[in-house]
Amino acid sequence: DAMVIQNPRYQVTQFGKPVTLSCSQTLNHNVMYWYQQKSSQAPKLLFHYYDKDFNNEADTPDNFQSRRPNTSFCFLDIRSPGLGDAAMYLCATSRDFKGGILAKNIQYFGAGTRLSVL
Amino acid sequence: DQQVKQNSPSLSVQEGRISILNCDYTNSMFDYFLWYKKYPAEGPTFLISISSIKDKNEDGRFTVFLNKSAKHLSLHIVPSQPGDSAVYFCAVSNFGNEKLTFGTGTRLTIIP
Repeated sequence: DAMVIQNPRYQVTQFGKPVTLSCSQTLNHNVMYWYQQKSSQAPKLLFHYYDKDFNNEADTPDNFQSRRPNTSFCFLDIRSPGLGDAAMYLCATSRDFKGGILAKNIQYFGAGTRLSVL
Repeated sequence: DQQVKQNSPSLSVQEGRISILNCDYTNSMFDYFLWYKKYPAEGPTFLISISSIKDKNEDGRFTVFLNKSAKHLSLHIVPSQPGDSAVYFCAVSNFGNEKLTFGTGTRLTIIP
């Protein structure tokens, strides 16, 4: 089955120690997203790649960076995690239909990585 | 500034009855609306969507209603089944824009 896979499912890091979360997809979608979700809150978009074009949200801290080496993989790097960065991190993909009749944004999510910061 | 609000954090419904989940948005420029369902330890999965040119879209037991003048959408599940117990997120977008804005979710519990 085509899917979005996030590794690891659980990640524990120390305060200030860099950490990388990974996401891979077999859907061949051209758009990939990273969301942060804290308890009882809405998923908050951090940034997304439209093909190779990186789009950062205005309120995403500089501490968060991303890499997309190819269509299938996307990484979230947290350079110096703070206690406030403990959250669920969700990766999603979508296929752009702008060339078609209608552009529909249905995003497909991975199971998420729960990050703990000690 | 919350653009999408789901004012009921939780809802309990008897099995077999109708579940109604509500969502309000602030920006009348949104023209595409989605519902996602999330089980514990899984990512959100797409459930149903509606564009602003319609006021109703039906898919089996799930129906989404859109009231553009009130900036309100709702998801009806009938009949409700135990497997429907999950967190439901509404999301809004614009055609041609690849980004979604999510609500905070409503936890639905179906009581057998």
